[in-house]
Amino acid sequence: DAGVTQSPTHLIKTRGQQVTLRCSPKSGHDTVSWYQQALGQGPQFIFQYYEEEERQRGNFPDRFSGHQFPNYSSELNVNALLLGDSALYLCASSNSPTDTQYFGPGTRLTVL
Amino acid sequence: EDQVTQSPEALRLQEGESSSLNCSYTVSGLRGLFWYRQDPGKGPEFLFTLYSAGEEKEKERLKATLTKKESFLHITAPKPEDSATYLCAVNNAGNMLTFGGGTRLMVKP
Repeated sequence: DAGVTQSPTHLIKTRGQQVTLRCSPKSGHDTVSWYQQALGQGPQFIFQYYEEEERQRGNFPDRFSGHQFPNYSSELNVNALLLGDSALYLCASSNSPTDTQYFGPGTRLTVL
Repeated sequence: EDQVTQSPEALRLQEGESSSLNCSYTVSGLRGLFWYRQDPGKGPEFLFTLYSAGEEKEKERLKATLTKKESFLHITAPKPEDSATYLCAVNNAGNMLTFGGGTRLMVKP
């Protein structure tokens, strides 16, 4: 049974560019949440998708947007990249919005 | 605003030396307190969920407990392979996880 998968593993971008990160949830899960983790800190909640809609959003600017597809996979888009966006981006999936969240391996984004 | 504080930030133990990690929290409408283990450069790995004060859960050398204001992760006779960062998180009424900064555990042989 495949767990949560994310792509790409690593990504290097320059300031001002746009990036798209992808996530496939664990089999049987219908809810996807995204987190940003800066080096040496705990993950910070970006937003959660359920039934193809954004259900909950953390304290992140509109440059961060997302999408959930009918097969429950999800994308995270970040526009106008800043140096401070460099981080590990984590995707987590769950059986429902209230259930235990299981994390993927993350995408390491470096903005130069 | 929900807050989670973990202590200590870092902990060095000798193999076999038992200890506890602390997670203090304030949250509106607790829907669960979660413990995760994270190895460097990897995603957090789920360990436990606790829902109500007095609840305890165990897995191998780890035991998690919960009160109304804090949770403890007790590590009994740790081994070097237990070295990792341990993260605590709370799930509030809005269904988002708020994480603490983590405790970096190093177990020396």
